[in-house]
Amino acid sequence: QSALTQPASVSGSPGQSITISCTGTSSDVGGYNYVSWYQQHPGKAPKLMIYEVSNRPSGVSNRFSGSKSGNTASLTISGLQAEDEADYYCSSYTSSSTLAFGGGTKLTVL
Amino acid sequence: EVQLVESGGGLVKPGGSLRLSCAASGFTFSSYSMNWVRQAPGKGLEWVSSISSSSSYIYYADSVKGRFTISRDNAKNSLYLQMNSLRAEDTAVYYCARGPTKLNWFDPWGQGTLVTVSS
Repeated sequence: QSALTQPASVSGSPGQSITISCTGTSSDVGGYNYVSWYQQHPGKAPKLMIYEVSNRPSGVSNRFSGSKSGNTASLTISGLQAEDEADYYCSSYTSSSTLAFGGGTKLTVL
Repeated sequence: EVQLVESGGGLVKPGGSLRLSCAASGFTFSSYSMNWVRQAPGKGLEWVSSISSSSSYIYYADSVKGRFTISRDNAKNSLYLQMNSLRAEDTAVYYCARGPTKLNWFDPWGQGTLVTVSS
């Protein structure tokens, strides 16, 4: 079971927008609209930020948005804030009836 | 408030066994699939196993298949993970998480319980 591919790190200044990519294959990201994104602060449990590609759970800021094109999903954070600094993980259902996670992206707010 | 609380972690020798538990509250436990996800120290997230609401469907990651067994008791609002033949590479924080019928999203997550496999 291969992990999805994410950039190791991204950075941005407060107020800017950043995008984190998550690349898989037609057997996972490209084949299903079951892509989710999680935010994890150090020492804390992950928190669901986006589900089913582009849906935001109740309580999640509308500064977070998700999309997908082909085998690549993306998380965009607009109006960057200091509290957005965290690790972000994507996940996708796979054709093997398993779930794959990306390797994680460390977001630094400069 | 929806809450998941894991327990049962600890230090175990290679080849040993451990049983993790996850106590759920604040929602209708029997209506949701439940999952275990782990995170090795300083590493990323790894999905471990999922069980459907009625235990009819169970799935495992290749890395634990044949060694770990997921189960649930809807009467006790509890999820379990029996871990046998433990290896050093199983060392991780183990999270339980609620999910929908289809293996999809996880929300919320428990606080995690640390399993350390070492001699």
